[in-house]
Amino acid sequence: SQQGEEDPQALSIQEGENATMNCSYKTSINNLQWYRQNSGRGLVHLILIRSNEREKHSGRLRVTLDTSKKSSSLLITASRAADTASYFCATDAIVAADSWGKLQFGAGTQVVVTP
Amino acid sequence: NAGVTQTPKFQVLKTGQSMTLQCAQDMNHNSMYWYRQDPGMGLRLIYYSASEGTTDKGEVPNGYNVSRLNKREFSLRLESAAPSQTSVYFCASSEVRGQGHGYTFGSGTRLTVV
Repeated sequence: SQQGEEDPQALSIQEGENATMNCSYKTSINNLQWYRQNSGRGLVHLILIRSNEREKHSGRLRVTLDTSKKSSSLLITASRAADTASYFCATDAIVAADSWGKLQFGAGTQVVVTP
Repeated sequence: NAGVTQTPKFQVLKTGQSMTLQCAQDMNHNSMYWYRQDPGMGLRLIYYSASEGTTDKGEVPNGYNVSRLNKREFSLRLESAAPSQTSVYFCASSEVRGQGHGYTFGSGTRLTVV
């Protein structure tokens, strides 16, 4: 079963608007990561937030983590057509001593940014 | 450019045929992974290698075998392909397990089994 689940499944916005997507997960984590995938390409790492962190920024990206609610959000500010992609959250879950580093991915949020 | 290289990019197999997907990274990463991506399913871990000389099963290992040939290379073998193995396969690597590093992904192998 999937550890992380993104919401919404799809998002359509206009250039300049903000895009927000959420990720919920089931078990305790070491860290949570967000990735972007352009159509027909591999995944690209965007940002990592550790379990003891609440918020991180990277350029136009802002990620929050609420471990009490087992949820995270990714905000893309002032979106551009080039931000059109699928976005995945991935969790590094605490399962056992040897479970570190094995990421579990959600099904993703498809974001379309129209000019 | 540094990164993860996968070959081939596309492959069509007949049911029962075998093939090996190749993956190589030039970032001196210790850990390597094989995932498959199916529509609406996200990525599912097939096998991983925490370090050179070790491999272990992931979430969906049945029908696959792997070899960590050296620190750079991690191959995935389908011994007898089945239509259920039609998927896009991604190889990834990361610096050190458990230290909270992001993965670097290859561009994928699109496999169709007919």
